[in-house]
Amino acid sequence: AQSVAQPEDQVNVAEGNPLTVKCTYSVSGNPYLFWYVQYPNRGLQFLLKYITGDNLVKGSYGFEAEFNKSQTSFHLKKPSALVSDSALYFCAVRDGSSNTGKLIFGQGTTLQVKP
Amino acid sequence: DGGITQSPKYLFRKEGQNVTLSCEQNLNHDAMYWYRQDPGQGLRLIYYSQIVNDFQKGDIAEGYSVSREKKESFPLTVTSAQKNPTAFYLCASSIEGFPGNTIYFGEGSWLTVV
Repeated sequence: AQSVAQPEDQVNVAEGNPLTVKCTYSVSGNPYLFWYVQYPNRGLQFLLKYITGDNLVKGSYGFEAEFNKSQTSFHLKKPSALVSDSALYFCAVRDGSSNTGKLIFGQGTTLQVKP
Repeated sequence: DGGITQSPKYLFRKEGQNVTLSCEQNLNHDAMYWYRQDPGQGLRLIYYSQIVNDFQKGDIAEGYSVSREKKESFPLTVTSAQKNPTAFYLCASSIEGFPGNTIYFGEGSWLTVV
């Protein structure tokens, strides 16, 4: 069965510093990996995804993520954090061997960027 | 303006009542989904539909029902059999046929039992 783990409930960084939000996954087939951001009382906004090819994926708002097959990880990164990046971040995976299209989410990580 | 529209944003349900959450999309997406969000538990899949007139149970379908009579609409009914319905409900949609297709979300609906 496919699963996603976000080991940190909360990540705290100072504005201007680099940030990393961690994600590991487990699937039977090829992984299709996604990151979403959620602001309070809002829906999820798509940030970026990995399908195939280059292991470093660039997305919206200056975010990027690195796919590491051997470590089954897909960590979200940003070189310089902004206070406005403070939000709830979700990693999600779809199993390429499944025909159901189900997207499985991690528990979410709250990012707090302090001025 | 293209997107996924959920209504109402806030809904209050009395014990024993059924309530229906609306979800409409004008993105011409084949697949639609309903997720439930509880604090600290991430998102859990309730039902999904890959094509009109067909839908499948997700991981927590008990106490919920759906219909997919039109491509653009996927309403969710929370029945009285759902014992703990207070949560944030998210509707989503995507193009079908490839697991790498992005799933897009609506703005969500809050359901509270009073």
